Amino acid sequence: QSALTQPASVSGSPGQSITISCTRTTSNVGNFNLVSWYQQHPGKAPKVMIYEDNKRPSGVSNRFSGSKSGNTASLTISGLQAEDEADYYCCSYTGNGAYVAFGGGTKLTVL
Amino acid sequence: QVQLVQSGSELKKPGASVKVSCKASAYTFTNYAINWVRQAPGQGLEWMGWINTNTGTPTYAQGFTGRFVFSLDTSVSTAHLLIFSLEAEDTAVYYCARGPQGRHNWFDPWGQGTLITVSS
Repeated sequence: QSALTQPASVSGSPGQSITISCTRTTSNVGNFNLVSWYQQHPGKAPKVMIYEDNKRPSGVSNRFSGSKSGNTASLTISGLQAEDEADYYCCSYTGNGAYVAFGGGTKLTVL
Repeated sequence: QVQLVQSGSELKKPGASVKVSCKASAYTFTNYAINWVRQAPGQGLEWMGWINTNTGTPTYAQGFTGRFVFSLDTSVSTAHLLIFSLEAEDTAVYYCARGPQGRHNWFDPWGQGTLITVSS
């Protein structure tokens, strides 16, 4: 069982916004610092979409945004597009150099 | 562009060993760490640990000590993952991913993944 809990699936129609949550379920992830989010299409390698809670790497669409409050981090995708259909994983680094946790992943379906 | 290219898929028998390579290009190899991540079939991502490419020091996550070894060949900007005494449960795609040295706040880019299948 992952130390970070995500919904197994979310869905939305093109143009809508969706939010994927990531909740710390154990203190093993320390202060729940430095959350990042990864997008993975079937058969492909993951790609970073958000890092350090809310920073967007160069080249990632501004339709993707991240936030965090208490024990829950969130990834919001606005203006859903068919290409956004993928698995999304949150990731937390505790800051002690030895522990990184991934969430169980959320399958996003664009209806 | 910055890229990590991994070695190809392998089919191994239980008890055998396997070596996965991850070759970096278009950046200074020793400025960034290499992390290893496992993804079992139909499952999520699991961080295996990382290697400091400047010092060569590996750090293994819980559950990946003993049979797993991270190594480097900095002369060719390549990191290696060795797995000994393979078990059926080791069947998975193994990814390498670049990240900051000792500060795992992002992983980018990722290698394309290497499928290791363990079967008799």
